Amino acid sequence: GENVEQHPSTLSVQEGDSAVIKCTYSDSASNYFPWYKQELGKGPQLIIDIRSNVGEKKDQRIAVTLNKTAKHFSLHITETQPEDSAVYFCAASRNYGQNFVFGPGTRLSVLP
Amino acid sequence: DTGVSQNPRHKITKRGQNVTFRCDPISEHNRLYWYRQTLGQGPEFLTYFQNEAQLEKSRLLSDRFSAERPKGSFSTLEIQRTEQGDSAMYLCASSASGGGRYEQYFGPGTRLTVT
Repeated sequence: GENVEQHPSTLSVQEGDSAVIKCTYSDSASNYFPWYKQELGKGPQLIIDIRSNVGEKKDQRIAVTLNKTAKHFSLHITETQPEDSAVYFCAASRNYGQNFVFGPGTRLSVLP
Repeated sequence: DTGVSQNPRHKITKRGQNVTFRCDPISEHNRLYWYRQTLGQGPEFLTYFQNEAQLEKSRLLSDRFSAERPKGSFSTLEIQRTEQGDSAMYLCASSASGGGRYEQYFGPGTRLTVT
């Protein structure tokens, strides 16, 4: 079955700097890759996603890139703000959006 | 537009007791998913419904777990004879199907503590 790895497990950046989180997946049939942000005591919140027929997608300060050949995808956050501090999860899915396999998460701390 | 809601938010129970959680999805969504999340880990898929049909179950879903979605709207997840290893956050998500929409939207979760 699918296995998703995520690095780093923790990341601290200064406010205004960029943050990059990387994920790799094992199943070449995976075709949908969402990213979620989870704050303490809350459910995961979808922040951006990408499909296998697209190499890059951007939404304001957040971007995701996908390399199907290498089977990895990355989340890029620019101009980080303290409210970006949270745990971020990547996920992969076959069949466009059925059961997701999540990575173990990255705890991002943005220092003022 | 109300999001996914889950009740209760917290449940403390003694080992061996049965518990039931409820999930109300976003109203126009016909797919509903259950996940389990333990501390420091990502959510793990348990099962999913399209309308009232349960289409897939994970190996994580032991015989003590049962999920229903009787009218294709809300869903319940029951755990019988709870064990300490069942302590986790139980998350529900919903999505539309078709039309190129694949996003899953999560509820706030039900945190279960088995003592």
